[in-house]
Amino acid sequence: AQTVTQSQPEMSVQEAETVTLSCTYDTSESDYYLFWYKQPPSRQMILVIRQEAYKQQNATENRFSVNFQKAAKSFSLKISDSQLGDAAMYFCAYRSPYTASKLTFGTGTRLQVTL
Amino acid sequence: DSGVTQTPKHLITATGQRVTLRCSPRSGDLSVYWYQQSLDQGLQFLIQYYNGEERAKGNILERFSAQQFPDLHSELNLSSLELGDSALYFCASSVGDSVGYEQYFGPGTRLTVT
Repeated sequence: AQTVTQSQPEMSVQEAETVTLSCTYDTSESDYYLFWYKQPPSRQMILVIRQEAYKQQNATENRFSVNFQKAAKSFSLKISDSQLGDAAMYFCAYRSPYTASKLTFGTGTRLQVTL
Repeated sequence: DSGVTQTPKHLITATGQRVTLRCSPRSGDLSVYWYQQSLDQGLQFLIQYYNGEERAKGNILERFSAQQFPDLHSELNLSSLELGDSALYFCASSVGDSVGYEQYFGPGTRLTVT
């Protein structure tokens, strides 16, 4: 079974600075999808970014980008020019094409943004 | 707003009781997923339906059951409730059930068992 590990329970960043959240995963599959979800205090789960394993190019969405290292099974999220609205729980998730497309989540990283 | 609706938003009930959580997927989405978010277990996949048929089961207790109706809305039934069932229950939907389709999450139902 696949597992997702987020080793940073909490992170803090100053407004306008850059922060990187770490995620590692364990799988024997060669084809899969990886995601970062944001959960603000409202508890809504919001998709931030996704990466297909077969794509070598790292995904980017505005201020959010990933560093996908397939061989190392690492999938980190970089947030540039951090804003107060970025404060939230961030979950890394794995999705296999072979297990009914369920999402397997990590334990989350709480990001604080300070002035 | 993801387009996925869940009712009720909050539910408070006593141990031993039974509750039903309802989910309406986005228009056109055939697949519905249920997830549980608790302090102890984190975010866990419970069950998936596609066009009325059960497609996959995750860590769903035998006391829990679900179904998807012809109009594609889904209900999650929780019975013989225990304190440990207190959690946030999410429904997500997608157009299809293959890995390439995005899952859109509803706002969740917060269940408190006292």
